Amino acid sequence: AQSVTQPDIHITVSEGASLELRCNYSYGATPYLFWYVQSPGQGLQLLLKYFSGDTLVQGIKGFEAEFKRSQSSFNLRKPSVHWSDAAEYFCAVGDQSASYDKVIFGPGTSLSVIP
Amino acid sequence: NAGVTQTPKFQVLKTGQSMTLQCAQDMNHEYMSWYRQDPGMGLRLIHYSVGAGITDQGEVPNGYNVSRSTTEDFPLRLLSAAPSQTSVYFCASSYRGQGASEAFFGQGTRLTVV
Repeated sequence: AQSVTQPDIHITVSEGASLELRCNYSYGATPYLFWYVQSPGQGLQLLLKYFSGDTLVQGIKGFEAEFKRSQSSFNLRKPSVHWSDAAEYFCAVGDQSASYDKVIFGPGTSLSVIP
Repeated sequence: NAGVTQTPKFQVLKTGQSMTLQCAQDMNHEYMSWYRQDPGMGLRLIHYSVGAGITDQGEVPNGYNVSRSTTEDFPLRLLSAAPSQTSVYFCASSYRGQGASEAFFGQGTRLTVV
């Protein structure tokens, strides 16, 4: 069955430090992959997506992610974290095996930023 | 540019009560969905719709009903609220299925059932 794991429930980084959030997926075919961010009290907003082509994907707010098929991973990175990046981050995989193109979300990683 | 609008933002219900969570989008999206978000579980799909007049069950449909009479509106009805339905509910819309295109989310409804 398709699934998404995010091994880190919570991460704390200092402002200005680099960030990497891990995501692993299980999917039989070439996946569509997403990263969403949820600020406190808000809905989810798309950071970036991978459908095909270049495996390094650029997103909004200075984020990027790299698709590694051999490792079934789609890790999110940012070279220098800002205090406003504190939020919940969700990795997701698109499941197109059924009649509806549904998305399967990981459990999320909560990011705290220390000033 | 409103996007996806959910009402109410907060609600407290007593066990057994019924209520409707409202969702409206102004992007002319065909696809709309309802999710619930629980700690450590990500978002789980309750019901979805691929167009006006067409709805189907998602992963956790029990205790919920939906209808889609217009492209814009997709209300979620709780028939007889139970404490297990305490959660944050999100409505989302997209150009096509959310596994193949960006989903736009409302700000959520925080529901507590006592």
